[in-house]
Amino acid sequence: DTEVTQTPKHLVMGMTNKKSLKCEQHMGHRAMYWYKQKAKKPPELMFVYSYEKLSINESVPSRFSPECPNSSLLNLHLHALQPEDSALYLCASSRLAEAYEQYFGPGTRLTVT
Amino acid sequence: QQQVKQSPQSLIVQKGGISIINCAYENTAFDYFPWYQQFPGKGPALLIAIRPDVSEKKEGRFTISFNKSAKQFSLHIMDSQPGDSATYFCAASPGTALIFGKGTTLSVSS
Repeated sequence: DTEVTQTPKHLVMGMTNKKSLKCEQHMGHRAMYWYKQKAKKPPELMFVYSYEKLSINESVPSRFSPECPNSSLLNLHLHALQPEDSALYLCASSRLAEAYEQYFGPGTRLTVT
Repeated sequence: QQQVKQSPQSLIVQKGGISIINCAYENTAFDYFPWYQQFPGKGPALLIAIRPDVSEKKEGRFTISFNKSAKQFSLHIMDSQPGDSATYFCAASPGTALIFGKGTTLSVSS
């Protein structure tokens, strides 16, 4: 099974809401990633988890809070977002030290109103 | 600064033609150069990847050509089909992450 699943598919939230995005993989990958993608732009790396520990944080604002409860799950907690945070949020996974071969989920389309 | 420059931004090719997308990099510490394909509403998917000690890699209709001395690599899509219409991202990997180019939107007309 080479699938990365993400829920929800679409999310609309107000600037005062708290919501969470979920990602799951069952490929035994020990590296997991969160990306933000705006229309007609490449994915922009936000966070990297290695062995369930945060290894890279690309200076992401604290209103985004990642969590890796176990080796298969990755969450992104959202709070007090701004309209400019509206984007496609992609989760990916890979074997450790093989970041060139990432498996991406279909993404969550987030709209902040 | 780690960067991957990709061109062209968009490309229109006739069915059966050859699509060529080019990328250039600066950092020599990259260990893999993958290409990703993304269809609207989907996440990117790995298409093909090459290591810097190989000059060419072919998988079906897709070929990567790699020029280490020039720090350039390119994707060739032979016999382009309408189903190839998508956005293509070149990337470079230092092992722990991916650095994407800005993307090329390919349209194959029938």
